[in-house]
Amino acid sequence: EDKVVQSPLSLVVHEGDTVTLNCSYEVTNFRSLLWYKQEKKAPTFLFMLTSSGIEKKSGRLSSILDKKELFSILNITATQTGDSAIYLCAVSSGNTPLVFGKGTRLSVIA
Amino acid sequence: GAGVSQSPSNKVTEKGKDVELRCDPISGHTALYWYRQRLGQGLEFLIYFQGNSAPDKSGLPSDRFSAERTGESVSTLTIQRTQQEDSAVYLCASSFRDGLQPQHFGDGTRLSIL
Repeated sequence: EDKVVQSPLSLVVHEGDTVTLNCSYEVTNFRSLLWYKQEKKAPTFLFMLTSSGIEKKSGRLSSILDKKELFSILNITATQTGDSAIYLCAVSSGNTPLVFGKGTRLSVIA
Repeated sequence: GAGVSQSPSNKVTEKGKDVELRCDPISGHTALYWYRQRLGQGLEFLIYFQGNSAPDKSGLPSDRFSAERTGESVSTLTIQRTQQEDSAVYLCASSFRDGLQPQHFGDGTRLSIL
């Protein structure tokens, strides 16, 4: 059975801190790994990773995939209160439903 | 439309009633997915539509749940004889057929069963 495990489940940091969120997975026919940010409503897409070792970056957020060790990390530097959200990791076997982890709840305190 | 649209945004109903939730996917997206998110939990897959192929219903939790899709457009998720454990946010997502593009989510319908 496909499985995605995220850690930590929750995290509280102060503004300006750097955080690293972890995602490990077991999936048959791996195609891609995705990160989403969920505030009050819809998960919003952050990154889609398909190749090992290639960092994807968007502003203060970056992510990298290790297909040998079956994990990904999401880094957020210089955190702001607006980064407070649940960060969801999901894996895809192609044109199929995503398998999601339970998410990491990040709280950034001013 | 610009994004995935879901309605209603909130629904409160009594146990035993039927409910119908609607999803309008992004124009041009042939794949459509329904997920359920219970409080404090991750997203659970319910059902998946791809073009005119038979839907993948493997995630539906019971025969009280069903969904339809008209061509490559609107989908409705129906829950019959609702139970309190059906209370959750129901999220719809859509994507292009090839699976190489990410799924994009609507804001969801928050369903509360009294």
